[in-house]
Amino acid sequence: GESVGLHLPTLSVQEGDNSIINCAYSNSASDYFIWYKQESGKGPQFIIDIRSNMDKRQGQRVTVLLNKTVKHLSLQIAATQPGDSAVYFCAENPPPGGYQKVTFGTGTKLQVIP
Amino acid sequence: GAVVSQHPSRVICKSGTSVKIECRSLDFQATTMFWYRQFPKQSLMLMATSNEGSKATYEQGVEKDKFLINHASLTLSTLTVTSAHPEDSSFYICSATAPQRETQYFGPGTRLLVL
Repeated sequence: GESVGLHLPTLSVQEGDNSIINCAYSNSASDYFIWYKQESGKGPQFIIDIRSNMDKRQGQRVTVLLNKTVKHLSLQIAATQPGDSAVYFCAENPPPGGYQKVTFGTGTKLQVIP
Repeated sequence: GAVVSQHPSRVICKSGTSVKIECRSLDFQATTMFWYRQFPKQSLMLMATSNEGSKATYEQGVEKDKFLINHASLTLSTLTVTSAHPEDSSFYICSATAPQRETQYFGPGTRLLVL
């Protein structure tokens, strides 16, 4: 289930189950979105991205869904593995920043239970 | 993906001293580098945008005289925390990008502890 900590929401998932991590973004004019994975003590690692002219994009074991109507982004991880345990951030690219400049969301900690 | 390194990975310094953190793009020329700060259990907060050969652009609330940024080459940007204080203790992360690349590539971060 989900719980909200002092700053970081946590999602606990059984190994092998699918994970869904949600994100609400703030700027309706944002046209590019990215999901990052950050393991403890490391920098963010790119997972998958999506542009505003799409509503779904699939990668290897991951799918990103974009709902522009409600400014919602989700990351689905299939068959979650212990190595997926990390903090996941969504990031949006609001104008006029160009593709490179992004604003990070709050983050969700994913805990995979073996 | 591209490789970005940071040095040092962690540093401990006394209050009042200055600390320099290096960010290097190892396999591409980074026209733009970003510097972020991250406190425990919080998100990354952009401090400044650094373009090669020009002055950095600082985000609101970030003191440019305290956090000196130099982007002298297409592969190196440095962040100097001047007169560091305990409240500057944080995880500093850089990222690098270029016009032909759609996303940023992040370094491994530098843990700064000011005593």
